[in-house]
Amino acid sequence: GESVGLHLPTLSVQEGDNSIINCAYSNSASDYFIWYKQESGKGPQFIIDIRSNMDKRQGQRVTVLLNKTVKHLSLQIAATQPGDSAVYFCAENGQGAQKLVFGQGTRLTINP
Amino acid sequence: DTAVSQTPKYLVTQMGNDKSIKCEQNLGHDTMYWYKQDSKKFLKIMFSYNNKELIINETVPNRFSPKSPDKAHLNLHINSLELGDSAVYFCASSQQLGTEAFFGQGTRLTVV
Repeated sequence: GESVGLHLPTLSVQEGDNSIINCAYSNSASDYFIWYKQESGKGPQFIIDIRSNMDKRQGQRVTVLLNKTVKHLSLQIAATQPGDSAVYFCAENGQGAQKLVFGQGTRLTINP
Repeated sequence: DTAVSQTPKYLVTQMGNDKSIKCEQNLGHDTMYWYKQDSKKFLKIMFSYNNKELIINETVPNRFSPKSPDKAHLNLHINSLELGDSAVYFCASSQQLGTEAFFGQGTRLTVV
């Protein structure tokens, strides 16, 4: 079936620390994954994506890791800043699928 | 320039009324979507259109009727509004089905 879920609904980190947000997916045929950031009162914004032929992809302060063996996806944010406070979603597109399926979301809060 | 714009941003209405939400994208994308986000932030796709044709209808009640007059517009009309329709509705677009989606700012619908 289609299911994209997150291990933790909330995550609090100290400013300057690294954050790791996890996501589990159940569709082994999924071949494309995206992380979105949603700030309060706004729509989801693209952060980074990764295809199933990769294990790791880096952006500016963010890294996405994909473990296809255990169907796990993670988003690492380096040196977390107050502006990183938001809800983070993983989304998958199963092979041949015509839609993005979103996970539950994790609320990241930054402690000063 | 706003890539995906939807109006209104807020909509408060009484049960039983009919209302519409408009969406326009200026990205030249072929695909547009409507997503519903509930109070727990869960994002679920409702409809997707590709080149003005309906591709996905995720068992949404037929009180919801999307209309795509052209590739740049996808409007959502809702008949006989119910309390359970209260949510934030997001319009999105992408180059192709199931690829990176760009979201509008959302329409917060409150049915009283």
